[in-house]
Amino acid sequence: AQSVAQPEDQVNVAEGNPLTVKCTYSVSGNPYLFWYVQYPNRGLQFLLKYITGDNLVKGSYGFEAEFNKSQTSFHLKKPSALVSDSALYFCAVSARGGATNKLIFGTGTLLAVQP
Amino acid sequence: DADVTQTPRNRITKTGKRIMLECSQTKGHDRMYWYRQDPGLGLRLIYYSFDVKDINKGEISDGYSVSRQAQAKFSLSLESAIPNQTALYFCATSDFGNTIYFGEGSWLTVV
Repeated sequence: AQSVAQPEDQVNVAEGNPLTVKCTYSVSGNPYLFWYVQYPNRGLQFLLKYITGDNLVKGSYGFEAEFNKSQTSFHLKKPSALVSDSALYFCAVSARGGATNKLIFGTGTLLAVQP
Repeated sequence: DADVTQTPRNRITKTGKRIMLECSQTKGHDRMYWYRQDPGLGLRLIYYSFDVKDINKGEISDGYSVSRQAQAKFSLSLESAIPNQTALYFCATSDFGNTIYFGEGSWLTVV
């Protein structure tokens, strides 16, 4: 069975510092990996995805994520955090060729960026 | 304007009442989904539809039903609402690619 874990319920970082939001996964076969962000009282917005190719994926709002097959991880990163990055972040994984009806979401990590 | 629109955005209903959440999309996607979000549990798939004539149960379909009225419209019904169906509900769409696009959510409280 496939699964995804976000080990931190909350990440606190000062504005201007680099941030990392962690995600590990377990799937059979090649994973399709996604990051979504949920701002207060808003829906989930797509940030980036990894399907194949370069292990470093760049996405919206200056975010990037690194796929590490040996560690089965897909951590979200940003070199310099902004207060406006404060939100709930979800990692998601799908196997079976990226079947959208088989997408499994993590429980979310709340990112709090202090001014 | 949002590409995926959900109505109502907020609703309080009583136990045993029937409630419908509606979703419409302007993205032209064939595939539509209903998810439920609960704190600490992430998002879970309730139902999905890959085209107008296709309806499939997701992970947590018990107590819910759906109707795909057109390519652009997909509604979720709770025939007899119960308090543990209090949650944030999301409609979503996708094309034949892998990326799912979400609406802004509908808060449902069952008292």
